[in-house]
Amino acid sequence: DGGITQSPKYLFRKEGQNVTLSCEQNLNHDAMYWYRQDPGQGLRLIYYSQIVNDFQKGDIAEGYSVSREKKESFPLTVTSAQKNPTAFYLCATGQPDYNEQFFGPGTRLTVL
Amino acid sequence: SQQGEEDPQALSIQEGENATMNCSYKTSINNLQWYRQNSGRGLVHLILIRSNEREKHSGRLRVTLDTSKKSSSLLITASRAADTASYFCATDDDKIIFGKGTRLHILP
Repeated sequence: DGGITQSPKYLFRKEGQNVTLSCEQNLNHDAMYWYRQDPGQGLRLIYYSQIVNDFQKGDIAEGYSVSREKKESFPLTVTSAQKNPTAFYLCATGQPDYNEQFFGPGTRLTVL
Repeated sequence: SQQGEEDPQALSIQEGENATMNCSYKTSINNLQWYRQNSGRGLVHLILIRSNEREKHSGRLRVTLDTSKKSSSLLITASRAADTASYFCATDDDKIIFGKGTRLHILP
């Protein structure tokens, strides 16, 4: 987990509220990724960014939004349009031409 | 777009025994990676094997890759309680795609 921080570790929100999950890195990596993990489902890619001010949708982008204004930061907003937002969210970093990804500790979001 | 699929889904073995997990995938790959995830934590990269490699070792880990069968295996020798975790294979298509994982439990 070193070099990547996600906050908070646990997050509770009421249904219908937008919520922003933080991901910060000091590894100087160009690429950053957001994954969602549900029990028995493995990891599914939400959004990724390979360079500042640019990002692409992953497999399950609907109901989520991101920004990449700084190299170190890639916040994820879970909007009210996301039908089932309760999940474990993982942020990862890497270099575009080097396949290993480095993961943060995750944020567990529970929508009540 | 699930690519890798691990087998078995869950595995329980006695401490000291060897643990073998398998990963099958559908399309051609450039490389295949294995990651470990302790409960409630992020993933940790274990090993990467390239498509032109057949076997790779790292400490107690041994990974094999058979591109003709589109499969890989991860062997953990002399298992320890600390090896209890979920193990994921990840293949690269246009982007890295993770499988659903094998939950490994080491019994004391």
